[in-house]
Amino acid sequence: DGGITQSPKYLFRKEGQNVTLSCEQNLNHDAMYWYRQDPGQGLRLIYYSQIVNDFQKGDIAEGYSVSREKKESFPLTVTSAQKNPTAFYLCASSASGTGGYEQYFGPGTRLTVT
Amino acid sequence: GESVGLHLPTLSVQEGDNSIINCAYSNSASDYFIWYKQESGKGPQFIIDIRSNMDKRQGQRVTVLLNKTVKHLSLQIAATQPGDSAVYFCAESWRDDKIIFGKGTRLHILP
Repeated sequence: DGGITQSPKYLFRKEGQNVTLSCEQNLNHDAMYWYRQDPGQGLRLIYYSQIVNDFQKGDIAEGYSVSREKKESFPLTVTSAQKNPTAFYLCASSASGTGGYEQYFGPGTRLTVT
Repeated sequence: GESVGLHLPTLSVQEGDNSIINCAYSNSASDYFIWYKQESGKGPQFIIDIRSNMDKRQGQRVTVLLNKTVKHLSLQIAATQPGDSAVYFCAESWRDDKIIFGKGTRLHILP
């Protein structure tokens, strides 16, 4: 089956620790994205990558970092610098990052930091 | 800045009736629009899309209407079922840019 996987589904961390969220896709998509969703809110773009070894900041990149060493993988690290990291994190991919293509979403990772 | 918004945060519809979810967009240069459905605790799921050279597109039980004159997008769901309960997001994109999502409308189905 083709699709996007995110792991784990639930993640718990202590304040001050960095944590890395996994995102893998086997759709052969060039572009990948990370969003954050807070309760009752829409999606806010953290980082996106239009091609391997390249990525750009989204609207709320502070306190986050990413890498894109492989086409199928786009891990997100939530650093201790992120002031309010507890949220639902969604990864997506699209055939192209140049607009005009739908994004396919993973099931999400719910991160809780205490 | 440019943004996508929704008229109603919550919509309650009787089972079997048609649902209409509305969305306003402010960027007249937007040329691609998408509707997503998100069930609780899950990622958004693509429903239907439309490009700016069209004003109507139909899928299975869903229709998207685009009115570029007033920058309005709507999603019509025919014969609403309990499984349609979810939050629905509209999204827009233009030229070589990323997709911008609206805040979402929650669709509640009444028995």
